[in-house]
Amino acid sequence: GAGVSQTPSNKVTEKGKYVELRCDPISGHTALYWYRQSLGQGPEFLIYFQGTGAADDSGLPNDRFFAVRPEGSVSTLKIQRTERGDSAVYLCASSLQAGNGYEQYFGPGTRLTVT
Amino acid sequence: SQQGEEDPQALSIQEGENATMNCSYKTSINNLQWYRQNSGRGLVHLILIRSNEREKHSGRLRVTLDTSKKSSSLLITASRAADTASYFCATDGSGGYQKVTFGIGTKLQVIP
Repeated sequence: GAGVSQTPSNKVTEKGKYVELRCDPISGHTALYWYRQSLGQGPEFLIYFQGTGAADDSGLPNDRFFAVRPEGSVSTLKIQRTERGDSAVYLCASSLQAGNGYEQYFGPGTRLTVT
Repeated sequence: SQQGEEDPQALSIQEGENATMNCSYKTSINNLQWYRQNSGRGLVHLILIRSNEREKHSGRLRVTLDTSKKSSSLLITASRAADTASYFCATDGSGGYQKVTFGIGTKLQVIP
């Protein structure tokens, strides 16, 4: 079946602009996660949804970052007033259920470049 | 912040050799997972080992976990050029939900 998809695959934006990154999880997966991966580093947790609600947003770096999942499926990560330091690959993952031990399936990521 | 720390950070071996990567972590865990990432294919889950398990096998992969030392190892036997990738360990906390923390990874190069 279809895996996790993310759009766009690449996004170049100017400093100060607003961007939206989209994630389509695997159908039927109730848990959805956003990570950010900088060059040479492992993915860093941003936020996790169980259904429509953000169960843990402790990884969001500041209030310029916001994510929604209004219908419990597709999620959008929104970044306001982008800064050059926001440049990274943003990864989305989904799992069948939340809870320890459920495998997370990752999308290919969106590479964000802020100029 | 990154909890796991893989060692070595880079490893280069000949095809057919075994590759061993280690991961150390700081806090108590419920599960430890290993992922592979190669360019263009994203992160792929390899294996999960629970905190009450000591060893697990999957094909050419063997994972060990020593919770007393807060460490894990991933062994890839009879490596192939296609195993060239970065390998990450990822841990989830004992808090009862699935916030996964990744290490910085080991970059493995398998030379044909």
